[in-house]
Amino acid sequence: GDSVTQMEGPVTLSEEAFLTINCTYTATGYPSLFWYVQYPGEGLQLLLKATKADDKGSNKGFEATYRKETTSFHLEKGSVQVSDSAVYFCAPGNTPLVFGKGTRLSVIA
Amino acid sequence: DTAVSQTPKYLVTQMGNDKSIKCEQNLGHDTMYWYKQDSKKFLKIMFSYNNKELIINETVPNRFSPKSPDKAHLNLHINSLELGDSAVYFCASSPRQGESIQYFGAGTRLSVL
Repeated sequence: GDSVTQMEGPVTLSEEAFLTINCTYTATGYPSLFWYVQYPGEGLQLLLKATKADDKGSNKGFEATYRKETTSFHLEKGSVQVSDSAVYFCAPGNTPLVFGKGTRLSVIA
Repeated sequence: DTAVSQTPKYLVTQMGNDKSIKCEQNLGHDTMYWYKQDSKKFLKIMFSYNNKELIINETVPNRFSPKSPDKAHLNLHINSLELGDSAVYFCASSPRQGESIQYFGAGTRLSVL
């Protein structure tokens, strides 16, 4: 089955710092790839997706590029804000979804 | 209006009790799910229903029994609760079976004492 490896958290950054959260995966076929975000006290919500190799998904200043050759989908943001503090989950798009263990991000002012 | 709503938000109970968690979605989706999130934030699927029919049943103890009276509702009943059942349970829905974009409820935090 599919599997995901995400970098261990927590990640603590100061506001306006650059963020990278690494994600590598194994998956059947070449599914779409997703990043979901879980804000405190809430359920997961879709942050961004990429549907095929070399596609870049982007939303709210976050980006991730589908790298088939390295089976990676790293999440980046150039300048984080306190409101980005959350847990981030990577997932290949085969169903049922298999999520990584989540990476907690804390941004301090 | 909340798209996927779960009740209750918090549930504290004693070992051995039976409890239910309810989930409703008003998105008109065909497919609904239950996930369990442990204390380390690891999220794992438990069940999935499509148009009231069970389509995914991961390795979950028989004490857990989902019920879908209609495609907008998926309830989770848990018998003989154990300490290890303490977790956050999330309901989710998607437009159709095989759709990877899912919409999650806010979760039910279950604490078994």
